[in-house]
Amino acid sequence: SAVISQKPSRDICQRGTSLTIQCQVDSQVTMMFWYRQQPGQSLTLIATANQGSEATYESGFVIDKFPISRPNLTFSTLTVSNMSPEDSSIYLCSVGADGELFFGEGSRLTVL
Amino acid sequence: SQKIEQNSEALNIQEGKTATLTCNYTNYSPAYLQWYRQDPGRGPVFLLLIRENEKEKRKERLKVTFDTTLKQSLFHITASQPADSATYLCALGSGATNKLIFGTGTLLAVQP
Repeated sequence: SAVISQKPSRDICQRGTSLTIQCQVDSQVTMMFWYRQQPGQSLTLIATANQGSEATYESGFVIDKFPISRPNLTFSTLTVSNMSPEDSSIYLCSVGADGELFFGEGSRLTVL
Repeated sequence: SQKIEQNSEALNIQEGKTATLTCNYTNYSPAYLQWYRQDPGRGPVFLLLIRENEKEKRKERLKVTFDTTLKQSLFHITASQPADSATYLCALGSGATNKLIFGTGTLLAVQP
């Protein structure tokens, strides 16, 4: 199993600003995943973050909007840049082990 | 494009009955299928994984079936309890990357 801590747990942001979400895992993992869950919707994969290489983004998500860092095997950050109200969502980081995904509690962002 | 559909309406059942949730998918050949539970304000929690060569998997009061011909999975909770009330997500995966595609989720409400 894996225990994942995310910060912040929630935040209210102004339009046009950027916010960085941190994800810390209690064990070393090769891949970390960032998901978005918009209000009333299911989870959508934003990108896969490998240590030592650039993140791989899914269709509809770009690095300029969602830059990701992965400095080591236990930590990653996701930045939501130039935010608009449409970015209001829960952002979740997850790691996989033995075919199972473990999720953090999520970071709930509200953009005004 | 790949599509995963779950019961769109909330499912309300009486305590003690069996809850049955449906997950249908199209344009995809998953190697495995997973079910997650998500409580309000929390990240999803893994429940069960079933592989393409398995028909059925059980864990305590939970049972999952996987029909790759019908492209459908059924998730059963027997002897349901109010504490089982939550949103249940199905997710499909292939390969060893732990990269999952999630369904829209079904909200289950168990009435005492």
